[in-house]
Amino acid sequence: GQNIDQPTEMTATEGAIVQINCTYQTSGFNGLFWYQQHAGEAPTFLSYNVLDGLEEKGRFSSFLSRSKGYSYLLLKELQMKDSASYLCAVSYSGGYQKVTFGTGTKLQVIP
Amino acid sequence: SAVISQKPSRDICQRGTSLTIQCQVDSQVTMMFWYRQQPGQSLTLIATANQGSEATYESGFVIDKFPISRPNLTFSTLTVSNLSPEDSSIYLCSSNSGGAYEQFFGPGTRLTVL
Repeated sequence: GQNIDQPTEMTATEGAIVQINCTYQTSGFNGLFWYQQHAGEAPTFLSYNVLDGLEEKGRFSSFLSRSKGYSYLLLKELQMKDSASYLCAVSYSGGYQKVTFGTGTKLQVIP
Repeated sequence: SAVISQKPSRDICQRGTSLTIQCQVDSQVTMMFWYRQQPGQSLTLIATANQGSEATYESGFVIDKFPISRPNLTFSTLTVSNLSPEDSSIYLCSSNSGGAYEQFFGPGTRLTVL
């Protein structure tokens, strides 16, 4: 089966840096997604990591360690609009198209 | 990238009735996926729909309750049958495009069952 853990809620200050962790136990792991979801909206794609290491994309970076079953999403220079849920999801079973989502981390950015 | 639209965006239905949700992709895709997101929770995959074959359902979801059609490479429908208040959720369809790994999501259909 697939098991994904991430914190339920986090609070951070505008302009700061926040790291959202995700651990997983997955058979047939292929890669790990991060999605952003604002309340009442559909998820939007942030990143997909297949190989170990850090991938940077503007203010957002994502890290993966396959051997440790661990990933994090790093958000820099936080803005109020970054207040949203961040979903960690893994693709598995030898293909990238079957995806299981974690329960999501609700991030609140405060002034 | 793929642009995905869904209809209806929301609906309020009576217990025992059914609702059919339509999903349209702006390009031809092999696989389409249907998810459910219950209030305050994350996404749960209901089924995978391939064109020209029966949908593949995840554990806990059955065809009688969630029949799916996939008549062509750009369109799919999900029907939620014999509705009960527990079916009140957001239903999302998704797909990838051109073999890319990124899954794109439709805007979702918010269903309320009275």
